[in-house]
Amino acid sequence: DTGVSQDPRHKITKRGQNVTFRCDPISEHNRLYWYRQTLGQGPEFLTYFQNEAQLEKSRLLSDRFSAERPKGSFSTLEIQRTEQGDSAMYLCASSLQGHYNEQFFGPGTRLTVL
Amino acid sequence: GESVGLHLPTLSVQEGDNSIINCAYSNSASDYFIWYKQESGKGPQFIIDIRSNMDKRQGQRVTVLLNKTVKHLSLQIAATQPGDSAVYFCADWRGGADGLTFGKGTHLIIQP
Repeated sequence: DTGVSQDPRHKITKRGQNVTFRCDPISEHNRLYWYRQTLGQGPEFLTYFQNEAQLEKSRLLSDRFSAERPKGSFSTLEIQRTEQGDSAMYLCASSLQGHYNEQFFGPGTRLTVL
Repeated sequence: GESVGLHLPTLSVQEGDNSIINCAYSNSASDYFIWYKQESGKGPQFIIDIRSNMDKRQGQRVTVLLNKTVKHLSLQIAATQPGDSAVYFCADWRGGADGLTFGKGTHLIIQP
């Protein structure tokens, strides 16, 4: 499978715990994006990387959210001190250089905070 | 704020009929408009996009129309099949350092 992959697919955690999600983009794609989707809504853009550089992070929901892409390949999204309002689907997408309008999404990680 | 939105949360069509899903937008600075299909439990799947300087674009069984005068775009699906059942989102991309901005989605229901 050469599509975008995400791990884990589901995560249940208790309020106050830290969680980390991983995304592996399509191998030749240089841009990687993170989105959040709550029930009944469209995805909401959070941040993106071009290679290893994080070029936009002002949309991250709070300072509890952080993302990395250390070697320009896979990326991680960490949420510290989770709250019940963080429960959502976290989606990763990637795109090819020069085709940034065509973003290909992974299956998402569904986070439930108890 | 949101710049794209859909008119109807649910659309029910008979199998074999054509489906038309509508979307309105407010941002004239968008470079592209994109349609995604999302099945239950899956991530959004790219269907087709249209550049803002175009009026129409056709794909396999799908056509997207863009009316810049009234800031409206539509997705037409020909000969709707059971596999077309999903939530459809329109989104726009404004270029540069921006992600996609999605509307709320229309759930397409196929009746046998």
